[in-house]
Amino acid sequence: DIQMTQSPSSLSASVGDRVTITCRASQSISFYLNWYQQKPGKTPKLLVHSAHSLQSGVPSRFSGSGSGTDFTLTISSLQPEDFATYYCQQSYSFGITFGQGTRLEIK
Amino acid sequence: EVQLVESGGGLVQPGRSLRLSCVVSGFRFDDYAMHWVRQAPGKGLEWVSGINWNSESVGYADSVKGRFTISRDNAENSLSLQMNSLRPDDTALYYCTKGHRASSSYYNYCAMDVWGQGTTVIVSS
Repeated sequence: DIQMTQSPSSLSASVGDRVTITCRASQSISFYLNWYQQKPGKTPKLLVHSAHSLQSGVPSRFSGSGSGTDFTLTISSLQPEDFATYYCQQSYSFGITFGQGTRLEIK
Repeated sequence: EVQLVESGGGLVQPGRSLRLSCVVSGFRFDDYAMHWVRQAPGKGLEWVSGINWNSESVGYADSVKGRFTISRDNAENSLSLQMNSLRPDDTALYYCTKGHRASSSYYNYCAMDVWGQGTTVIVSS
């Protein structure tokens, strides 16, 4: 299976900060990379699909980039509601895999 | 409104079986791939199984291969997961999810744009 490694595993930031989360695949996955947000006690929410396509209804402060093995999720100006856990997921291989998650906390 | 409603979870002894169901509404079910994703208590997300729109493309995580079987009934707008030989490490919240791309020949190559609320499976003696 393709291994997905996110960094950092946790991150403290302040409202208004620009934040970047990185996801690395163990082999090339082209642009088949998706990002999800999960708040405590809630179901995951799709933010970005196909590496850089913003899902409908997701605020424009979220953006995704990358291809091949290296990808990033950027939040341009953190809002209070953005503090959550973020997961990357590859859908390139038949064995779909998620990253371990990045917990974004309030500083 | 698009809805996915899971059922069938519960407490089961190791080695026994359980069948999860997911009934959907609000979209054309037979156009989309569907998946099961699980989350153990306090842990991250783990893809379990996926199936394309016409059941010709099916896949499983290595951790469940040979024990779990995914199926769908497009006439009934329902997705199922038959879980056999359950183990304590199968304990998790199981989510039913919808693929975001229509009419794909394969269950992968798509994100998961709608998630149910989940059904809890506890495997314990």
